[in-house]
Amino acid sequence: GQQLNQSPQSMFIQEGEDVSMNCTSSSIFNTWLWYKQDPGEGPVLLIALYKAGELTSNGRLTAQFGITRKDSFLNISASIPSDVGIYFCAGQRNAGNNRKLIWGLGTSLAVNP
Amino acid sequence: NAGVTQTPKFQVLKTGQSMTLQCAQDMNHEYMSWYRQDPGMGLRLIHYSVGAGITDQGEVPNGYNVSRSTTEDFPLRLLSAAPSQTSVYFCASSGGGSGYGYTFGSGTRLTVV
Repeated sequence: GQQLNQSPQSMFIQEGEDVSMNCTSSSIFNTWLWYKQDPGEGPVLLIALYKAGELTSNGRLTAQFGITRKDSFLNISASIPSDVGIYFCAGQRNAGNNRKLIWGLGTSLAVNP
Repeated sequence: NAGVTQTPKFQVLKTGQSMTLQCAQDMNHEYMSWYRQDPGMGLRLIHYSVGAGITDQGEVPNGYNVSRSTTEDFPLRLLSAAPSQTSVYFCASSGGGSGYGYTFGSGTRLTVV
């Protein structure tokens, strides 16, 4: 099935550093979602984006809906050890009853204290 | 609120056995879905439902059945377990009040021997 191109696949950073990751697609999406998954748990929604160009923050996290509607970015500022986990992007084409998501393969983040 | 509850958390089956993975949500969400997560393959949609009495196939439906007799419950049935169905299974739900973001359960880790 179709998947989003998410990069980087993994990152190993020092505590306090900023982190950037992105997702790209050959198709247009109406909604972009960013999730974080901790070990042994299900993904948890971090940020949802609904309009092209939209920039949304959630604490130290900032995400943007690309102006072309084919990409999205997630930035984490001043990373801390609890940021460790896998970050997934997901795109959705249609609103209303069709809520099927297309997923990236994830970015695994490790933070060295 | 409990959110999305999945049971069991762990299960070992022998090849050929059948079982049902339970999923219940208490948020009155109309949209529910089942995913499987395998290393390097991200989240793949098995089946989904847009409301009670309505189900449809996702990306990898073979070997699985679902039903949606109530808004709250969306069980996933493995008809005759195979080693290829060893995976982590996640149930997720989405409702209009939460935009288009999904709430995930904590997963069922299934091993078929």
